[in-house]
Amino acid sequence: AQSVAQPEDQVNVAEGNPLTVKCTYSVSGNPYLFWYVQYPNRGLQFLLKYITGDNLVKGSYGFEAEFNKSQTSFHLKKPSALVSDSALYFCAVRLLSHNDYKLSFGAGTTVTVRA
Amino acid sequence: NAGVTQTPKFQVLKTGQSMTLQCAQDMNHEYMSWYRQDPGMGLRLIHYSVGAGITDQGEVPNGYNVSRSTTEDFPLRLLSAAPSQTSVYFCASSPYREGNQPQHFGDGTRLSIL
Repeated sequence: AQSVAQPEDQVNVAEGNPLTVKCTYSVSGNPYLFWYVQYPNRGLQFLLKYITGDNLVKGSYGFEAEFNKSQTSFHLKKPSALVSDSALYFCAVRLLSHNDYKLSFGAGTTVTVRA
Repeated sequence: NAGVTQTPKFQVLKTGQSMTLQCAQDMNHEYMSWYRQDPGMGLRLIHYSVGAGITDQGEVPNGYNVSRSTTEDFPLRLLSAAPSQTSVYFCASSPYREGNQPQHFGDGTRLSIL
């Protein structure tokens, strides 16, 4: 079975400060890890993914994430947050198994960036 | 390029009514899926399909049916609506044979069951 945990329901930061959204996962095998962002009344938008290789991956809008296999974590980071980064963020894991690519999502973290 | 298109955007039903949520994609993706989003629960997989004529159940399939007669379309049917099915429904698609590719999401259907 695969699962994803986002331990923080909400993250509040001031504009210009670093932003971190935490994610831990549990899979029996090598995971594909994804981050998505959701703005109000919209679908999920892909931010970045880890498949293999360099543990630090860079994505859209200045976001990056660090894969840590020993801690089974994939935290999302942004060095300097913007008010426009306020949104709902989801971590997801996919495990290649026989004939399906099911994606398991965390519960989501609401990010609020104050001016 | 429209991506994934869901209709309707909003719908209110009475308990016991049936309806079909439409989903269409124009990216020739083999893999399509339906999720429901409820507060504090993330997205939960209802049904998915890896190609025309092939469907399978996800995490929460009860009360829902799907079919996949074409690559482009993947409708979700509520057979007899219940208040517990009040939710936001998302359709998503991705290439099947490229398992490391992200899923593309529609903008959702907001469904209320009275």
